[in-house]
Amino acid sequence: DAGVTQSPTHLIKTRGQQVTLRCSPISGHKSVSWYQQVLGQGPQFIFQYYEKEERGRGNFPDRFSARQFPNYSSELNVNALLLGDSALYLCASSLEWGSPLHFGNGTRLTVT
Amino acid sequence: GIQVEQSPPDLILQEGANSTLRCNFSDSVNNLQWFHQNPWGQLINLFYIPSGTKQNGRLSATTVATERYSLLYISSSQTTDSGVYFCAVEKDAGGTSYGKLTFGQGTILTVHP
Repeated sequence: DAGVTQSPTHLIKTRGQQVTLRCSPISGHKSVSWYQQVLGQGPQFIFQYYEKEERGRGNFPDRFSARQFPNYSSELNVNALLLGDSALYLCASSLEWGSPLHFGNGTRLTVT
Repeated sequence: GIQVEQSPPDLILQEGANSTLRCNFSDSVNNLQWFHQNPWGQLINLFYIPSGTKQNGRLSATTVATERYSLLYISSSQTTDSGVYFCAVEKDAGGTSYGKLTFGQGTILTVHP
């Protein structure tokens, strides 16, 4: 079975632009979470979706939004990009709430 | 929010050595997971262990929830064990675990041949 897949793998954007990151969970997994990892730090929780509904939001501004589709895939959108948004964005899926997380390889976003 | 402290921050070993990584957390948890991030950035789930002891090959983990700490043991280390080890927890709010994890800063492990 395929693991969690994320696209694109790398992305370079300019300040003020908008970006959409995509994630496909492991087959059968209903929960998708998004994390941001800045260099040298642990991942920080952004969003969790379960059965297409937002179940949790971390301490991120409203410029960050996400959604989950009927096939359980997910998109993370970031508007009005700032230099500080440069990071590795990780998507994770799990079978249910609170069960082991399985991460994708991430999308490396660079904002110039 | 809940605080997660990992120690040591850095660890250098010779191949074949054993090591113990520690994770302290500031509040009751209903979800604790250990991850290994390899040098290419891939995060691998090692253990889901909110309490008790588990073993998987050369790795084992123990969580003592009442004392708010978890330990990850690596025996007979190999160069492929190098990377960053993260502990991640979710505060027990008296209900279901939602899987919203707070990560520690990690332990950087380097294993030399």
